[in-house]
Amino acid sequence: EAGVTQFPSHSVIEKGQTVTLRCDPISGHDNLYWYRRVMGKEIKFLLHFVKESKQDESGMPNNRFLAERTGGTYSTLKVQPAELEDSGVYFCASSQRDRANSPLHFGNGTRLTVT
Amino acid sequence: DAKTTQPTSMDCAEGRAANLPCNHSTISGNEYVYWYRQIHSQGPQYIIHGLKNNETNEMASLIITEDRKSSTLILPHATLRDTAVYYCIVRVYSNTGKLIFGQGTTLQVKP
Repeated sequence: EAGVTQFPSHSVIEKGQTVTLRCDPISGHDNLYWYRRVMGKEIKFLLHFVKESKQDESGMPNNRFLAERTGGTYSTLKVQPAELEDSGVYFCASSQRDRANSPLHFGNGTRLTVT
Repeated sequence: DAKTTQPTSMDCAEGRAANLPCNHSTISGNEYVYWYRQIHSQGPQYIIHGLKNNETNEMASLIITEDRKSSTLILPHATLRDTAVYYCIVRVYSNTGKLIFGQGTTLQVKP
């Protein structure tokens, strides 16, 4: 079974540019999550999709971040325009069910560097 | 959300059992205890979870005290590849997707 895959693994962009991160969840997983770790801080929740619907986006930092999951399969996270403080590692995770006893499985992340 | 307390770092000799403690004294009755680890430059890796009973899988064992206020993750035969940051997380039932990662325990397995 393929795990959660994220693309690209690394991205270096200049301040003010746009970047789009992609996440492919484990096949059959309706629940998809985005997390990030910035500047040596703790890993923080960003948002949660159930199929194509946003279940919880309470962790999204501001309106420069836009997450989509059209068709309920893969998801994209767009940062526009990128700021220096957006640098960090962005993780995607998926789970089979929206239940507390259904583990989240994480991808290896996209390391974003904004210069 | 129930908070967890873990030691900042621990050492373990290769081949020995690694016992990683976690305190979660404010845990509620329907909240699960989860353990993840992060090996350098990889994403968090799911290890094990439990509610009340002790659990075992191919990676580890989870021992939860009867009052559920603390737990211990046991890696029975630690290898150098088990060197990682280990996170103990209480998963809130009503907010199932929002895992709260703390600082975790840095486990160093030494030859």
